[in-house]
Amino acid sequence: DVKVTQSSRYLVKRTGEKVFLECVQDMDHENMFWYRQDPGLGLRLIYFSYDVKMKEKGDIPEGYSVSREKKERFSLILESASTNQTSMYLCASSVTGERGHGYTFGSGTRLTVV
Amino acid sequence: GNSVTQMEGPVTLSEEAFLTINCTYTATGYPSLFWYVQYPGEGLQLLLKATKADDKGSNKGFEATYRKETTSFHLEKGSVQVSDSAVYFCALVPTGGGYNKLIFGAGTRLAVHP
Repeated sequence: DVKVTQSSRYLVKRTGEKVFLECVQDMDHENMFWYRQDPGLGLRLIYFSYDVKMKEKGDIPEGYSVSREKKERFSLILESASTNQTSMYLCASSVTGERGHGYTFGSGTRLTVV
Repeated sequence: GNSVTQMEGPVTLSEEAFLTINCTYTATGYPSLFWYVQYPGEGLQLLLKATKADDKGSNKGFEATYRKETTSFHLEKGSVQVSDSAVYFCALVPTGGGYNKLIFGAGTRLAVHP
């Protein structure tokens, strides 16, 4: 069964720590995405990548960076975690050129910054 | 620009009731349309999709018809179960949309009571 795997379901980090959220897909998809989900705000795109080493900012990139060194892996980095980054983080992937396929999502990482 | 508007929740129903969750969109051309479902504590799963006008997507008893004339993609189910309690997201990929970036609605929470 094809899937997107996020390395942690729950994570607790301290303010100021550097945090890495990892996402791996086994579908050979070109595109990968990071979203955060907050009550009342829906899904907001942080960054996406359309190829290895390629990235573009989404709607809320401040305080985050990303890395895509291999096609299957897309990492989200919180350079210095803050309490307002407490959220559910969702990774997704998709195929370029196949508009009808949509995204495949991971199970999410619930991050708490204390 | 492209956007998706969903009815506000929560929607509260008794088991076996009929469900409708309204979704309308703004987009040029012929976007692909999707419904995703998110069960508590989980990531999003693709529920159904439609890629051209008058297509009907269906899955697990849910249905939605792509209505170009009303720019709508309403989700329906004839008889809901407690296990259908979740958040439902309507989404689109625009015609010619770069990297197939999904545009999401805000989500509608459904609560089904026995």
